[in-house]
Amino acid sequence: DVKVTQSSRYLVKRTGEKVFLECVQDMDHENMFWYRQDPGLGLRLIYFSYDVKMKEKGDIPEGYSVSREKKERFSLILESASTNQTSMYLCASSASGQAFFGQGTRLTVV
Amino acid sequence: KNEVEQSPQNLTAQEGEFITINCSYSVGISALHWLQQHPGGGIVSLFMLSSGKKKHGRLIATINIQEKHSSLHITASHPRDSAVYICAVRRGNNDMRFGAGTRLTVKP
Repeated sequence: DVKVTQSSRYLVKRTGEKVFLECVQDMDHENMFWYRQDPGLGLRLIYFSYDVKMKEKGDIPEGYSVSREKKERFSLILESASTNQTSMYLCASSASGQAFFGQGTRLTVV
Repeated sequence: KNEVEQSPQNLTAQEGEFITINCSYSVGISALHWLQQHPGGGIVSLFMLSSGKKKHGRLIATINIQEKHSSLHITASHPRDSAVYICAVRRGNNDMRFGAGTRLTVKP
């Protein structure tokens, strides 16, 4: 079974902190994605990566950056967390059109 | 207007009922996905389809490409089917658009 693992299920951070969300997949997928999910809005793409060290902005990249130093790991970075970044964050990897999701990280910024 | 619209937003059913969740989209797609998200957040893929109909156990998914519409049916619903069901369309290799989800509650 493909496994996409996010490092934390729940996080509470303070405004202004730098926050790292980690995602690891074990199926050698080239494509990896970070989404945020908010009530009534569905999943929105923040960034994706189609290869090591390659990244592309999604629909809502402002306030975020990403890092993909190794194929299996895709990190989402909140440079200076703000309360409007309180959300559920989901990582996914894909191959052959099929997407596999992590269990999500619920981030609260206080 | 969202490119992917789902209806209803919320649905409550009694155990055993036949359930239908609808998805309409306004863009050209290469495939459509139905996803299931249980409380706690994890998302699993139920179906990926580009034409016709697929069946897996009590779940059936259909798509009409000309009408840009898909339905997810659950026969003989059970409380364990309670979850959020999400429709997503794939436009290219890295471009997926998601509906807002349908929250299903099945009561015993």
